[in-house]
Amino acid sequence: GQQVMQIPQYQHVQEGEDFTTYCNSSTTLSNIQWYKQRPGGHPVFLIQLVKSGEVKKQKRLTFQFGEAKKNSSLHITATQTTDVGTYFCAGVPGNQFYFGTGTSLTVIP
Amino acid sequence: EAQVTQNPRYLITVTGKKLTVTCSQNMNHEYMSWYRQDPGLGLRQIYYSMNVEVTDKGDVPEGYKVSRKEKRNFPLILESPSPNQTSLYFCASSSGEGDQPQHFGDGTRLSIL
Repeated sequence: GQQVMQIPQYQHVQEGEDFTTYCNSSTTLSNIQWYKQRPGGHPVFLIQLVKSGEVKKQKRLTFQFGEAKKNSSLHITATQTTDVGTYFCAGVPGNQFYFGTGTSLTVIP
Repeated sequence: EAQVTQNPRYLITVTGKKLTVTCSQNMNHEYMSWYRQDPGLGLRQIYYSMNVEVTDKGDVPEGYKVSRKEKRNFPLILESPSPNQTSLYFCASSSGEGDQPQHFGDGTRLSIL
């Protein structure tokens, strides 16, 4: 069945260091979405990638969608304490959503 | 304010006692969905609905029922809850056919003893 794997599961960084999380799907996706969940909160949509090889930026966050539309990454430059939370990718092959297991980011001041 | 509202936020109950978690959205969204979140497993889709009277199974539908009689409401029903359904549940909605960004409710934490 459809699977979306995400690594790493946990990441601890010093404030100011960079951070990357990777997402891999077992099948081709129509789009991939990224969400952030703060501790105790609900997932909040960050961005959607649709085109093969697409790269999008939001301030210090860079999102990439692979050429084969089966993998994606989120890179944060110079992390801040406000970046703390769990980052999820969600693969969308059709009408269903397949979330990755998430990467929990801790930023040490 | 655009929002997805779930009730209750917290519930402790016992095995076998039927319960319903309500979900309502005020954004006129066609697509609604239920997820459960468990440590180490991320969010897993239980059921989704692309419009009124249209529901489909997600990845983990066993033990759950849903209905979509009105566009704004999408209740999750546990007919005979069991301890393995103890989890954090999220309702979400989106516009369009189902590949659009999801707006999540605040979550319902269910404990089944």
